[in-house]
Amino acid sequence: NAGVMQNPRHLVRRRGQEARLRCSPMKGHSHVYWYRQLPEEGLKFMVYLQKENIIDESGMPKERFSAEFPKEGPSILRIQQVVRGDSAAYFCASSKSSYGISGNTIYFGEGSWLTVV
Amino acid sequence: DQQVKQNSPSLSVQEGRISILNCDYTNSMFDYFLWYKKYPAEGPTFLISISSIKDKNEDGRFTVFLNKSAKHLSLHIVPSQPGDSAVYFCAASIQGAQKLVFGQGTRLTINP
Repeated sequence: NAGVMQNPRHLVRRRGQEARLRCSPMKGHSHVYWYRQLPEEGLKFMVYLQKENIIDESGMPKERFSAEFPKEGPSILRIQQVVRGDSAAYFCASSKSSYGISGNTIYFGEGSWLTVV
Repeated sequence: DQQVKQNSPSLSVQEGRISILNCDYTNSMFDYFLWYKKYPAEGPTFLISISSIKDKNEDGRFTVFLNKSAKHLSLHIVPSQPGDSAVYFCAASIQGAQKLVFGQGTRLTINP
């Protein structure tokens, strides 16, 4: 769990500002996933990326949200013009395998808590 | 469209007794199920999983049961310990897919 690094852990933004959340996967992992947890809800899949490619963005809101995972550096989840409803915990996970998911192959980071005021 | 449901938001159990957490799903395509434990301000930690070809998987104090006909799974913790107090999430996936569908979570409190 500690191997997936997310920063910042806490971020406060005013409405209309941009939020950037970073995720460094575990060493040797080239697959990154972003999940969002709204208050009192479960985690919801947002996007799955491999290096330089977005594989599945079916859970991403159509506007204001984007994600990237460049060849070098961390994966970034970018939220433009934040609104109060974006306040949530954003979790990154990483895996080594490209085939399916198992409990022993996907690892979550400790999350980034975004508060929009 | 909540495909994975945990209908009990909270559960309180005495230390040493059995904790039973329940989860229902609607998508018959799900063939792999996981339980995660989550402490406040931390990420989910994997506990135990089960494939749809099995109906039971056991790991120490944790056992997961799967009833495919009822589309229901449960997590048994015995004996329950104070350190088990956390939020437990049930999750499901389809083999070959790269995403998990989570339930809403159940907050388990173990009382001394």
